[in-house]
Amino acid sequence: GESVGLHLPTLSVQEGDNSIINCAYSNSASDYFIWYKQESGKGPQFIIDIRSNMDKRQGQRVTVLLNKTVKHLSLQIAATQPGDSAVYFCAENSGGSNYKLTFGKGTLLTVNP
Amino acid sequence: DTGVSQDPRHKITKRGQNVTFRCDPISEHNRLYWYRQTLGQGPEFLTYFQNEAQLEKSRLLSDRFSAERPKGSFSTLEIQRTEQGDSAMYLCASSFGPRHSTDTQYFGPGTRLTVL
Repeated sequence: GESVGLHLPTLSVQEGDNSIINCAYSNSASDYFIWYKQESGKGPQFIIDIRSNMDKRQGQRVTVLLNKTVKHLSLQIAATQPGDSAVYFCAENSGGSNYKLTFGKGTLLTVNP
Repeated sequence: DTGVSQDPRHKITKRGQNVTFRCDPISEHNRLYWYRQTLGQGPEFLTYFQNEAQLEKSRLLSDRFSAERPKGSFSTLEIQRTEQGDSAMYLCASSFGPRHSTDTQYFGPGTRLTVL
C-alpha cells in the first residue's frame, strides 16, 4: 500500500547548526502534510504544516519544503538547540476529507552541545 | 491547560481484563481521533468522530475495541479481553473540522497501556 517514509532514521547535529529532516511520500493524492515533534513519553506536537498548493512555508526557526514532482517533504530547523532533540514525524492526509493522517516511522534528532 | 487531555496516562493490566481510556478534546473542536503507537513506529489511525458520530474505523480496530463520544465532547476507548499485543501508546487528537481551511490535529499526551 502507499505510505509515508523517511530517508534517515537518525540525525545527529551540533548545537547551532541547521538540521534537515527528509520524508518521502508515495500517495500523489495527498494534499496536506504536517510535521510533528515527539519527545519521549509525550504525544506528537504540531510543528508546521503545508498544503499541496504551496512549495514552501516558514515558521519560527522551521521551514517546510514540498517537492510534488519527486514526492518529497523536508523540515529545516535553523540554529538547532538541545531542546530540539526528539523524534520527528511527517504525516500526510491522503486527499478528500481532511482526516486520517498517515505517519512515517520518524527520525530521531540528537543535538550535541 | 486548554490542550487535549487523556486519562489515565499509564495503565498496567493483566491479559484478559477490560480497560477504558478517556480523552477530552480541545473544547471548540468538532473532530476527535484515536491513534495507536507502538515503540519505534509512527501513530496508526484507529477511528474518528465528527461530533458524536463515529465516521470511520480502521481494520486495526478489532471487535474487542469500542469507542464512543456520546455527547460530542469527551470520548472513551474500551478494550475488552486485553491481549499482550494491545500494549501500546493510545493517542487522542482533536481538530476543528471541515469548516476551517486547515484541520490541524492536535494530540494529547497519550495513555501508555501495558498488558502483562
